[in-house]
Amino acid sequence: GGIITQTPKFLIGQEGQKLTLKCQQNFNHDTMYWYRQDSGKGLRLIYYSITENDLQKGDLSEGYDASREKKSSFSLTVTSAQKNEMAVFLCASSYRGLGNTLYFGEGSRLIVV
Amino acid sequence: GDSVTQTEGPVTLSEGTSLTVNCSYETKQYPTLFWYVQYPGEGPQLLFKVPKANEKGSNRGFEATYNKEATSFHLQKASVQESDSAVYYCALGGGSNAKLTFGKGTKLSVKS
Repeated sequence: GGIITQTPKFLIGQEGQKLTLKCQQNFNHDTMYWYRQDSGKGLRLIYYSITENDLQKGDLSEGYDASREKKSSFSLTVTSAQKNEMAVFLCASSYRGLGNTLYFGEGSRLIVV
Repeated sequence: GDSVTQTEGPVTLSEGTSLTVNCSYETKQYPTLFWYVQYPGEGPQLLFKVPKANEKGSNRGFEATYNKEATSFHLQKASVQESDSAVYYCALGGGSNAKLTFGKGTKLSVKS
């Protein structure tokens, strides 16, 4: 088995600040994802990375940057935090292939003051 | 693009009653269909997946049949327990696309 570790669990920042969330996985998966979870809106894909040095935009990429530093880690940056962005951010990973199963971390909650 | 529509919650049931969470999808590919479950304070975890049309998936007493003609994948359980209280997500993925598309989630609360 493996685990996905997201840090920090709670990220508190001010409006307009640049804030970064980090994700590490030890599954040796090639693909990693960042989803945003808002109550009543489900899971929306922000960015994903099929392999190291790859970056693909999801449906909600505006206002975010991502970086796949190495196979095991994937970071997400909120470029200018806004109060309406308070949500839970979920990192996931999978083997690439047909019917790939995603494994999720526990989430990081963003709080903007 | 792909889309998934599922029962709007919240759904509140008494222990021992039956559950159906409807899930319909739209896609131009030949997808794998998934049900994920998320307990409070945790990330979503796979409940089961079905890669082929007309096949059934099941786990922990939950089941769903991949109905390609009706483009549906409804989740059912005959008798729910308090421990089944969680948010349930229907999702589709597969083909050449690495990403999954999720529904909005259905929050289930089971009262004893």
